[in-house]
Amino acid sequence: KQEVTQIPAALSVPEGENLVLNCSFTDSAIYNLQWFRQDPGKGLTSLLLIQSSQREQTSGRLNASLDKSSGRSTLYIAASQPGDSATYLCAAQKTSGSRLTFGEGTQLTVNP
Amino acid sequence: EAQVTQNPRYLITVTGKKLTVTCSQNMNHEYMSWYRQDPGLGLRQIYYSMNVEVTDKGDVPEGYKVSRKEKRNFPLILESPSPNQTSLYFCASAPAGWQPQHFGDGTRLSIL
Repeated sequence: KQEVTQIPAALSVPEGENLVLNCSFTDSAIYNLQWFRQDPGKGLTSLLLIQSSQREQTSGRLNASLDKSSGRSTLYIAASQPGDSATYLCAAQKTSGSRLTFGEGTQLTVNP
Repeated sequence: EAQVTQNPRYLITVTGKKLTVTCSQNMNHEYMSWYRQDPGLGLRQIYYSMNVEVTDKGDVPEGYKVSRKEKRNFPLILESPSPNQTSLYFCASAPAGWQPQHFGDGTRLSIL
């Protein structure tokens, strides 16, 4: 059974800092790895999706990498801003259309 | 505006009183899914649907029913709610099962 772990559970950084959020998964036979953002009282917003054949995806200040062999993905946020404050979740999908297995998230606070 | 709409947003009810949480999407998406989010357990998938009239169990289907009679709607039915179903519920949709999902804003259910 796939297990997804995110460390740290919470992170507080000053504005402008570059930071890395970590996601590890136990079963490397994944179809894709997805990163989401969740704001308080809101649903999840999809940030990046990395197919198993890809090594990384970029969107603006966000860069996600995937290393299937080691069971790890990282989300890199450049030049962090207070508006980046949210909980970030990663999720692994085993096959196309199959269930997503989520980590518990990293709660990020970017201080002005 | 493209969105996933859940109703109600909040509900307090009593054990055994049947309830339905509606979910509707206006993006003509094939794939829809229900999740529950609990502290310490993260997001877990309840049921999902790859297309009309096709539904499958997720990780925690016990005590829930769903139906997908038309593409835009995917209601979640609790026939006899119990206190352990107190949770934050999210509906999501995607063009296909492997693509990024769009989430509703959530329904907070309290079963007394």
